[in-house]
Amino acid sequence: DQQVKQNSPSLSVQEGRISILNCDYTNSMFDYFLWYKKYPAEGPTFLISISSIKDKNEDGRFTVFLNKSAKHLSLHIVPSQPGDSAVYFCAASAESSGDKLTFGTGTRLAVRP
Amino acid sequence: DAGVIQSPRHEVTEMGQEVTLRCKPISGHDYLFWYRQTMMRGLELLIYFNNNVPIDDSGMPEDRFSAKMPNASFSTLKIQPSEPRDSAVYFCASSPGTGRPGANVLTFGAGSRLTVL
Repeated sequence: DQQVKQNSPSLSVQEGRISILNCDYTNSMFDYFLWYKKYPAEGPTFLISISSIKDKNEDGRFTVFLNKSAKHLSLHIVPSQPGDSAVYFCAASAESSGDKLTFGTGTRLAVRP
Repeated sequence: DAGVIQSPRHEVTEMGQEVTLRCKPISGHDYLFWYRQTMMRGLELLIYFNNNVPIDDSGMPEDRFSAKMPNASFSTLKIQPSEPRDSAVYFCASSPGTGRPGANVLTFGAGSRLTVL
């Protein structure tokens, strides 16, 4: 059973516009969330994270929002650049139960020049 | 540091053959993880080690899969016998030992793409 879900397999955005990638989770024990970015033929690399005690974390063009009541988080990229074209994975962990990262299936973002 | 090193990068084998994937984690990292990426399930955790000791192998799909970490700088994931449904990209990742393992940043290798015919 998929505890972390990324329901949009792909997203296409114009350069300069906002990209919004969504992630839903079912395990209410999750208390830490991370986003990883993956380019073809490379391993995923860490992008940004958020603890459940916060509802927003920002790092440059990247902002992650967490809505605990809806069990939903989103990654905003503003402005989007062609170099942001990659697969984005959402991941979550629960310190009270194993504390191992559970990943979603990924969303492929294409930023059109 | 060269990062997490995985070999081979690509492996094509026939059903029933033994496959061994190798990983060298970042020096000083206490945690080592093996993940498998498929289109349907994304990145699945197979097993992870802390200080060379297997902590959680609940993600290992079946007895055909085994993993070892004989020392801090080397780990193997073995599939014997291999089946076509094992075709996937296998990633090794490592992370520091400080803080929560679930909140530490993982450094991934480039992956080993396995094709079982």
